[in-house]
Amino acid sequence: AQRVTQPEKLLSVFKGAPVELKCNYSYSGSPELFWYVQYSRQRLQLLLRHISRESIKGFTADLNKGETSFHLKKPFAQEEDSAMYYCALHSNYQLIWGAGTKLIIKP
Amino acid sequence: DVKVTQSSRYLVKRTGEKVFLECVQDMDHENMFWYRQDPGLGLRLIYFSYDVKMKEKGDIPEGYSVSREKKERFSLILESASTSQTSMYLCASSLDRDSYGYTFGSGTRLTVV
Repeated sequence: AQRVTQPEKLLSVFKGAPVELKCNYSYSGSPELFWYVQYSRQRLQLLLRHISRESIKGFTADLNKGETSFHLKKPFAQEEDSAMYYCALHSNYQLIWGAGTKLIIKP
Repeated sequence: DVKVTQSSRYLVKRTGEKVFLECVQDMDHENMFWYRQDPGLGLRLIYFSYDVKMKEKGDIPEGYSVSREKKERFSLILESASTSQTSMYLCASSLDRDSYGYTFGSGTRLTVV
């Protein structure tokens, strides 16, 4: 069965420290994976997708098929990165969502 | 900008009431979705629709129904609200079946007392 797992409900790091938000998936076939972000009092929005291999707001995510992971990384965290982050898998014309990780950046 | 508008930001209803949550999108998207968002559980799909008058159950449809009489509007109905349905409800739309770029509404925080 298709599944997305985000093992950390909460991640707290200091400003300037590296950030890694973990995402593991279960999927038979070639996965299409995404990260969505929800800042406080704002709408959920697409952050990045693995196909485009782009860097948005300094975040990158690499698909590792061997480890079935799609971890979100940023080398130097900023206070404005504090938000809720969701990993999602596109399957059967829908998105399958992880439970989300709340990222808190401490000053 | 694609806009997905949810009619209410906050709603308080009594147990047993029939509740309507409205969602309207203005970019001619084919797909519309209703989710509930709960801490530690992420987004859970309630119902979705790929076309007018078409609906399909998601992962947690019990206690809910939907209506899509027009392409731009997707309504979520709680037939008899219960306290377990207290949650944040998110509406989303996407262009078509192959589109993964969802546009979300700002959400409706429903409290059932």
